[in-house]
Amino acid sequence: QVQLQESGPGLVKASQTLSLTCTVSSGSISNSDYYWNWIRQPPGKGLEWIGYIFYTGRTYYSPSLKSRVSLSVDTSKNQFSLNLKSVTAADTAVYYCVSYYYDKGGYRLFDSWGQGTLVTVSS
Amino acid sequence: SYELTQPPSVSVYPGQTATIICSGDALPKQLAYWYQQKPGQAPVQVIYKDDERPSGIPERFSGSSSGTTVTLTISGVQAEDEADYYCQSADYDTTYWVFGGGTKLTVL
Repeated sequence: QVQLQESGPGLVKASQTLSLTCTVSSGSISNSDYYWNWIRQPPGKGLEWIGYIFYTGRTYYSPSLKSRVSLSVDTSKNQFSLNLKSVTAADTAVYYCVSYYYDKGGYRLFDSWGQGTLVTVSS
Repeated sequence: SYELTQPPSVSVYPGQTATIICSGDALPKQLAYWYQQKPGQAPVQVIYKDDERPSGIPERFSGSSSGTTVTLTISGVQAEDEADYYCQSADYDTTYWVFGGGTKLTVL
């Protein structure tokens, strides 16, 4: 089972861009059985799916964040990244990188989650 | 955009059965996934593909689907099951994923 680890600044100023990277280990990010996701959780609130990326670079985003989000993948480093622009205090959250594993029939099966990283947006 | 609806809270006594319902218009077409989250921890998947249980998840956790609702059932609830539970599914066209608002399970 793949393992994931988030990294990036824990503090971002309002109006700037939040950037996080997820490093994948115990597996290849180029494995076509996986989609690579970002999910966030504001303090005391619920989970929010941000988007996911396939190793080819194909992306899918949440409609509510689509105008501010971009995901990218670096297969040489076995990493994928999140950029969220024009952040506000409402973007303060724990950000998780998550893998979704699909079977040969195209059905999503299991997840693996990073430990999460808290990003605070300051004014 | 698409939404999944869960009750904010459910309370049961130890040994009883807890039922958490998630509703959404696309659920007749889309599969659902359930997560358990304890304070300070990352979520853990307890059900995938409506009713399948990952290895290591106790048999008392089960899932079902009927029409526009999916249900997580915890039989013989134990104190350690107290947590937040989230359902997740996709929109009609499977272009994005959505979480329900979460249900806090309290073991009395």
